[in-house]
Amino acid sequence: GAGVSQSPRYKVAKRGQDVALRCDPISGHVSLFWYQQALGQGPEFLTYFQNEAQLDKSGLPSDRFFAERPEGSVSTLKIQRTQQEDSAVYLCASSQAVGPSYEQYFGPGTRLTVT
Amino acid sequence: AQSVTQLGSHVSVSEGALVLLRCNYSSSVPPYLFWYVQYPNQGLQLLLKYTTGATLVKGINGFEAEFKKSETSFHLTKPSAHMSDAAEYFCAVSGSSGTYKYIFGTGTRLKVLA
Repeated sequence: GAGVSQSPRYKVAKRGQDVALRCDPISGHVSLFWYQQALGQGPEFLTYFQNEAQLDKSGLPSDRFFAERPEGSVSTLKIQRTQQEDSAVYLCASSQAVGPSYEQYFGPGTRLTVT
Repeated sequence: AQSVTQLGSHVSVSEGALVLLRCNYSSSVPPYLFWYVQYPNQGLQLLLKYTTGATLVKGINGFEAEFKKSETSFHLTKPSAHMSDAAEYFCAVSGSSGTYKYIFGTGTRLKVLA
């Protein structure tokens, strides 16, 4: 079956522009996570959805970052007024259910470069 | 707070040699541990996971890991390295409550020498 897909795969934005990154999780997966992976680092948690509810946004670095999952499937991560420090790979992951033993399935990521 | 430490940001082994990638964790509750592999320009792929039960966990592509509570370790091994194993490897611990988000180590890049 289809895995997690993300679009666009690559995005170049000028400093100050707004960007929107899309994630299509595996169909039926309840949990959806966004992570940010800086160059040479491990992914870091940004935010979490259980169905359409955003239950944890503790990892969002500033109020310029906003995420939504209005119908409990596709999710969008939006970054307003992009800054150079936002340059990173943004990974989306989905999980079948809620709980620590359920593995997360990752998409290929969106590489954002802010110039 | 939970954390993960991966010793050695770069590891080189000869083809056919033993692969050993180290992971130590910190957790106040029984951890759920994962190893993922990342190939260039791709997402993370699950190699194996430890939840409960047997402490020696076998995964895909011949990898295995042993959960050692006394050493707070979950090292990844493979008896014989193959060229196709060259990639970045991440150890992660799952949150114990709430979101069950992953906390990742900084990764180890494995190079396999011919």
